[in-house]
Amino acid sequence: DIQMTQSPSTLSASVGDRVTITCRASQSISTWLAWYQLKPGKAPKLLIYKASSLESGVPSRFSGSGSGTEFTLTISSLQPDDFATYYCQQYNSYWTFGQGTKVEIK
Amino acid sequence: EVQLVESGGGLVKPGGSLRLSCVASGFTFSSYAMTWVRQAPGKGLEWVSFMSSGSTYIYYADSVKGRFTISRDNAKNSLYLQMNSLRAEDTAVYYCARGLGYCSGGSCYSGILFQHWGQGSLVTVSS
Repeated sequence: DIQMTQSPSTLSASVGDRVTITCRASQSISTWLAWYQLKPGKAPKLLIYKASSLESGVPSRFSGSGSGTEFTLTISSLQPDDFATYYCQQYNSYWTFGQGTKVEIK
Repeated sequence: EVQLVESGGGLVKPGGSLRLSCVASGFTFSSYAMTWVRQAPGKGLEWVSFMSSGSTYIYYADSVKGRFTISRDNAKNSLYLQMNSLRAEDTAVYYCARGLGYCSGGSCYSGILFQHWGQGSLVTVSS
């Protein structure tokens, strides 16, 4: 099974900050990596797929990079609507999620 | 607009059964793979089960294999999850999601991600 390790688990930041979340796979997954945003009581939202492709309708301040085993999600300028929990997911072999990163207000 | 609406959650005793439903609208349901993902209280996301568009490929997480059954009714635009022999550790919000991607090479467990999700249905297993 492919394990996904996300860091940090919690991140405190202010509006306007640049935020980076890291995700590491236990084996190479090429670019079969997605990022999702979760807010309580709402449907999870796909942000990034194929490691760096922006889902339609997602603001351009979100970007993804990486391949193989190391990946990052970057929010270039944090907005009030971005305080949420973010998950990476590998879809190279079945489906595994990272443990999540909660982005909270500093 | 793609919409996925889950229902059927509730409180059930350990060892009991429950059937979740997910009604889809806004797209051609029969053309897409579908999946169930859950989130236990205070925990992360866990993939539960997957079914390809034509029902040829069906996969389960080891944690639910032999107890849960996924099915779909394309005429009703609906996805189901029959959950038997429920345990306390099955307590979670269950989401259905629409797949994006294609099966290839005689399998369907690579290259498909979850593009659209419902808001979830809470299942609580407790005596």
